Amino acid sequence: QVQLVESGGGLVKPGGSLRLSCAVSGLSFSDTYMSWIRQAPGKGLEWVSYINKGSSQRIYADSVNGRFTISRDNAKNSLYLQMNSLRVEDTAVYYCARARGAGLGGYFDIWGQGALVTVSS
Amino acid sequence: EIVLTQSPATLSLSPGERATLSCRASQSVSRYLAWYQQKPGQAPRVLIYDASNRATGIPARFSGSGSGTDFTLTISSLEPEDFAVYYCQQRSNWPLTFGGGTEVEI
Repeated sequence: QVQLVESGGGLVKPGGSLRLSCAVSGLSFSDTYMSWIRQAPGKGLEWVSYINKGSSQRIYADSVNGRFTISRDNAKNSLYLQMNSLRVEDTAVYYCARARGAGLGGYFDIWGQGALVTVSS
Repeated sequence: EIVLTQSPATLSLSPGERATLSCRASQSVSRYLAWYQQKPGQAPRVLIYDASNRATGIPARFSGSGSGTDFTLTISSLEPEDFAVYYCQQRSNWPLTFGGGTEVEI
């Protein structure tokens, strides 16, 4: 059974940092392209970041570029999102998802349950 | 950035009716468009990828069409469990982008 389980969400003050983790099981993680996608309360979906299998390609949305860092540990079957200089507008449920499809980016066929990040003073 | 515009924002229909959802891209995305369904409190689920390919386990009443800038998701006969929000997403260019969503309501 394929599972993606996010952890590390919580309440943080503006300017603070948080690290999200996504534990992956039931598939060959080292052969998998991954992304983070977020959803602000009551809003639509926003793609945040992408990482390829070997971590040589990392792409970010403009809204988080320079503040967030995506990484992975294939030995631990885990994906990470280090979030620094957090802003109120970063408040959202953050999903990790498997990216499929040859070529650019991919579509997302397996999703975690999401981790809520709240940025508030 | 490629902007995806979904219409209508809300679609009010009854079970058994046909639903037609539109997604228009600000520039060509070829056929690199996917559709997702999201119910309250749940993660999205992919329905269609690359414009017209049904994802694994998706019922045949869901179909996708289009290429370039204009795409359609059709639900041939609405089941009670189909009332949800639907999003389109392009993977033709960075950044990957989603449409604003269409809510299909009773």
